[in-house]
Amino acid sequence: DVKVTQSSRYLVKRTGEKVFLECVQDMDHENMFWYRQDPGLGLRLIYFSYDVKMKEKGDIPEGYSVSREKKERFSLILESASTNQTSMYLCASLEGQGLINEQFFGPGTRLTVL
Amino acid sequence: QKEVEQNSGPLSVPEGAIASLNCTYSDRGSQSFFWYRQYSGKSPELIMSIYSNGDKEDGRFTAQLNKASQYVSLLIRDSQPSDSATYLCAAPPFNAGNNRKLIWGLGTSLAVNP
Repeated sequence: DVKVTQSSRYLVKRTGEKVFLECVQDMDHENMFWYRQDPGLGLRLIYFSYDVKMKEKGDIPEGYSVSREKKERFSLILESASTNQTSMYLCASLEGQGLINEQFFGPGTRLTVL
Repeated sequence: QKEVEQNSGPLSVPEGAIASLNCTYSDRGSQSFFWYRQYSGKSPELIMSIYSNGDKEDGRFTAQLNKASQYVSLLIRDSQPSDSATYLCAAPPFNAGNNRKLIWGLGTSLAVNP
């Protein structure tokens, strides 16, 4: 079974702090994604990566950056956390062959910024 | 802006009934469609994928695709209380190339009443 793990289930940070969210997948998948999920707004793509050191902006990249130094690890960085970044953050990975597009999700990190 | 639309619900059905969840999409070129289930407080998991017009059955679940009408549905037969969840519809945009993004609907909340 594919396993996607995230570094924390719950995180509380203060405004202005730099926050690192880590995601690790164990299936040698090429593609990895960071989403945030808010009530009424659904899943919104922040960034994704299709290879090591390769990244593309999603729909809401402002205030975030990412790092993918190794294939199995994709990190989301909040450079200076703000209260409007309080959300559920979900990481996903995908093998990416043909039409197959099953994204496997991690358990999520619920981030609260005070 | 390419979109995937779903009724937010909640859709309430009695145990044993058929639950019908609907999704429309704006990108005529989309080739594949996915239904994910998300329990409250958990991350999404793939339950059905469909690539061709017509029906695809998997146990109690049937996905139906009508590309001419840009419509995809999910039927759940013999609904159980354990089916109570939010169901997300997703599709990759046409001409995605190596871009493995998905466009997500906001989800339909289903409640199966014992």
